[in-house]
Amino acid sequence: EVQLLESGGGLVQPGGSLRLSCTASGFTFSTYAMSWVRQAPGKGLEWVSGISGSGDNRYYTDSVKGRFTISRDNSKNTLYMQMNSLRAEDTAVYYCAKDWNGGDYWGQGTLVTVSS
Amino acid sequence: DIQMTQSPPSLAASVGDRVSITCRASQGISIWLGWYQQKPGKAPKSLMYAANSLQSGVPSRFSGSVSGTDFTLTIISLQPEDFATYYCQQYSAYPRTFGQGTRLEIK
Repeated sequence: EVQLLESGGGLVQPGGSLRLSCTASGFTFSTYAMSWVRQAPGKGLEWVSGISGSGDNRYYTDSVKGRFTISRDNSKNTLYMQMNSLRAEDTAVYYCAKDWNGGDYWGQGTLVTVSS
Repeated sequence: DIQMTQSPPSLAASVGDRVSITCRASQGISIWLGWYQQKPGKAPKSLMYAANSLQSGVPSRFSGSVSGTDFTLTIISLQPEDFATYYCQQYSAYPRTFGQGTRLEIK
């Protein structure tokens, strides 16, 4: 059974940093691209970042380029998102998703709140 | 970036009805579109990939179609558990992009 478990969310002040983790199980992690998708309170889904199975290729939406860094450790079956220079508009539930034909499996999400 | 225009934003229907939701891509994406269902407080669930292929375990009352850059999700004989918000997503290119969502409500 595929499982994705996010962690690392919390309350952070504007300008602060946070690192999200997503631990995967139930599939060959290194074979699949992975994505982070977020959802601000009461809003729709926004794709944030993606990474190839090897980790060689990384992609970002414009609003997070230069501030967020996606990475993965295939030996630990774990996906990461380092978020720096956080802004109020980054407040959202962050989901990791296994990126096969879009996102076939999703985690339950972790809430990031950026507020003073 | 590829823009996905989804309509309608909301839709009211009754159990047993047939409904359709559409997404239009701003440029060609072949068949690389997925549909997702999201219920309040829950993670999205993949319903369909490659425009018209059902994910495992998804009921056959859900179907998808494509005509050029126009994609349609159709649900026949709505069930109570189908009332939710639906999103399309293109995965032809990065950045992946979602439609704005369609909230399907009980009439």
